[in-house]
Amino acid sequence: DTAVSQTPKYLVTQMGNDKSIKCEQNLGHDTMYWYKQDSKKFLKIMFSYNNKELIINETVPNRFSPKSPDKAHLNLHINSLELGDSAVYFCASSQGPWDFGRTDTQYFGPGTRLTVL
Amino acid sequence: EDQVTQSPEALRLQEGESSSLNCSYTVSGLRGLFWYRQDPGKGPEFLFTLYSAGEEKEKERLKATLTKKESFLHITAPKPEDSATYLCAVQVPMEYGNKLVFGAGTILRVKS
Repeated sequence: DTAVSQTPKYLVTQMGNDKSIKCEQNLGHDTMYWYKQDSKKFLKIMFSYNNKELIINETVPNRFSPKSPDKAHLNLHINSLELGDSAVYFCASSQGPWDFGRTDTQYFGPGTRLTVL
Repeated sequence: EDQVTQSPEALRLQEGESSSLNCSYTVSGLRGLFWYRQDPGKGPEFLFTLYSAGEEKEKERLKATLTKKESFLHITAPKPEDSATYLCAVQVPMEYGNKLVFGAGTILRVKS
């Protein structure tokens, strides 16, 4: 069974279009994340949701809007796509941050490669 | 600013040739250091969590260690299947929740 899954795997689109990426986790985790991996391979956090509530928003353009219909799903909608949005987007999940005395391991999905032409 | 630096950027080893990868960090508050393995076209795969200086974790040919300012991933007698990008990340607390700050990774190639 796949723990963290994303669809689609590949997404090729034109500048100015709107697109969505879906993520689902079956680990029973409370917290989910979106990361962006650029061409230099750096992974950077974009958003985090805990139990459907936004808890981290790392100065991402307003064109990016995450939505969490329930704690097992976190989708990413991108409006007016730009060339610079081309990257690999990873979803991740973890048990949650509330026990500050322990580390909180994040498990990643397979990624969605977005290419904006 | 929280920062994670990995070295070397790339490492080529012969099968059986042991070596180490380095991860140094400057963060405002460490809540754990993580090592991940990433194969081409795939997501990062969790390897280890280290929480306090002096801690060590082992898994097959890999051993991770942690000091107050850096971590090492030792690879003993590597095999070609160990070829991958190894990512180091530190968990940093925020007002609500934690985030991972990643290094750029070390690309490891093991030749038979």
